[in-house]
Amino acid sequence: EAGVAQSPRYKIIEKRQSVAFWCNPISGHATLYWYQQILGQGPKLLIQFQNNGVVDDSQLPKDRFSAERLKGVDSTLKIQPAKLEDSAVYLCASSLIQGQLNSPLHFGNGTRLTVT
Amino acid sequence: GENVEQHPSTLSVQEGDSAVIKCTYSDSASNYFPWYKQELGKRPQLIIDIRSNVGEKKDQRIAVTLNKTAKHFSLHITETQPEDSAVYFCAASIKLGNQGGKLIFGQGTELSVKP
Repeated sequence: EAGVAQSPRYKIIEKRQSVAFWCNPISGHATLYWYQQILGQGPKLLIQFQNNGVVDDSQLPKDRFSAERLKGVDSTLKIQPAKLEDSAVYLCASSLIQGQLNSPLHFGNGTRLTVT
Repeated sequence: GENVEQHPSTLSVQEGDSAVIKCTYSDSASNYFPWYKQELGKRPQLIIDIRSNVGEKKDQRIAVTLNKTAKHFSLHITETQPEDSAVYFCAASIKLGNQGGKLIFGQGTELSVKP
């Protein structure tokens, strides 16, 4: 099966600019996740979708970050305006069954964001 | 609160030796504990997972043990090889009401296997 697709692979922007990341999950996977991975740290969950509804966004900095999954398939994550501390790898993941995490997460290759 | 602590942060072993990585979690309702391996510049990949109704699971050179009472779980790699060198992350599920759960990751352990 095709894996989780993400684009772009790399992005360099200046602080206060905006940026958007795109993710296409594995076909048929109902649950989609966006994680932020700062260098040397574990992935931190930003937002979790079940189909096109938000399940958890408690760690999403909502003053600057937004995400949507309008048709319950692919998703976009936006940062506006970016700060230096947003420099990280943004990982998208998907899973087949969300309830009680009975199926594993499959990660994409991530987007490495550098804010200068 | 939601927290997963992972130790050690770095681990260096000789090829052929065993490696053990330990994690503790805070939510007693957690019931799913996967381990991911992340090679430099690559995506995290699931290597083994365990559910709360099982105390131990083994897959070739990799095993995971779970102590629900103490709220900790460990990854054991035997007969380590240079290709085992990577960053390993543990994770624990956090229940989200009727919405299932989410995964909280540990900080990672950088394993280096020296030939």
